[in-house]
Amino acid sequence: GQQLNQSPQSMFIQEGEDVSMNCTSSSIFNTWLWYKQDPGEGPVLLIALYKAGELTSNGRLTAQFGITRKDSFLNISASIPSDVGIYFCAGPPVSNYQLIWGAGTKLIIKP
Amino acid sequence: DVKVTQSSRYLVKRTGEKVFLECVQDMDHENMFWYRQDPGLGLRLIYFSYDVKMKEKGDIPEGYSVSREKKERFSLILESASTNQTSMYLCASSFILAGAKYGYTFGSGTRLTVV
Repeated sequence: GQQLNQSPQSMFIQEGEDVSMNCTSSSIFNTWLWYKQDPGEGPVLLIALYKAGELTSNGRLTAQFGITRKDSFLNISASIPSDVGIYFCAGPPVSNYQLIWGAGTKLIIKP
Repeated sequence: DVKVTQSSRYLVKRTGEKVFLECVQDMDHENMFWYRQDPGLGLRLIYFSYDVKMKEKGDIPEGYSVSREKKERFSLILESASTNQTSMYLCASSFILAGAKYGYTFGSGTRLTVV
C-alpha cells in the first residue's frame, strides 16, 4: 500500500536541543496528523492539521501543513527526556478517508 | 475518558494455534481497525470495518480474519499462527466529522510472540 516518506528514521539528540522531522507524499492530502507512541503503548494524537499552510502548536510542539498539500513537518523545541518515543505522521489522500502512515521517527535523547 | 481496550498486553502462542485478539471501544465509533507494527515498517493495516458485520481487507490480510458482531467489538483472528506473525498488534477506532476531521484512538497494543 501507499506509504508516506517520513524522515529521519531515527534521531539521537541531546536534552534541550530542538528537533525537526517531516513527511512527504506523492498525493495531495486534505488532513495531516501527527502521533506519538510511547514505549509499550499505542500512538496518541499530538496535532491535527486541516488546511494548507496551517501552523499549529501544542506546547513545545509545532506542526505545519505544507502549501503544496503534499508535506508536513513537526518541530519539538527544547527536548526533554519524556519526548522519547516514535513519532508518526498520517493522513488520508483526497477522496479517501482511510489513513496512510509514515514509517515513524524514533527519537532518542541522550542525557 | 474515551478508551480502546485490547484484551491482552502480551501473548505467547505456539505455531499452528488459532489466536483471538479482542478489541473493545466505548466511544460509539463506526470505524475500527487492526494494524500490526514491526520495527522500521511503521503501521500496516490488516483489516478494517466501517459497520457491524462489515469488513474490508487492508494491506496485509493474508493469514488473518476478523469479526465484528457488535459495534463496540472488533476481533482479529490468526487462523493458524506462524512465527512470522510475531509482532505488536494495535487496534484503533475512529469517527469522521464533517470537513474531514478525524478522531483515531488506539489501544495499548498486544505484543504477540509465536514460538
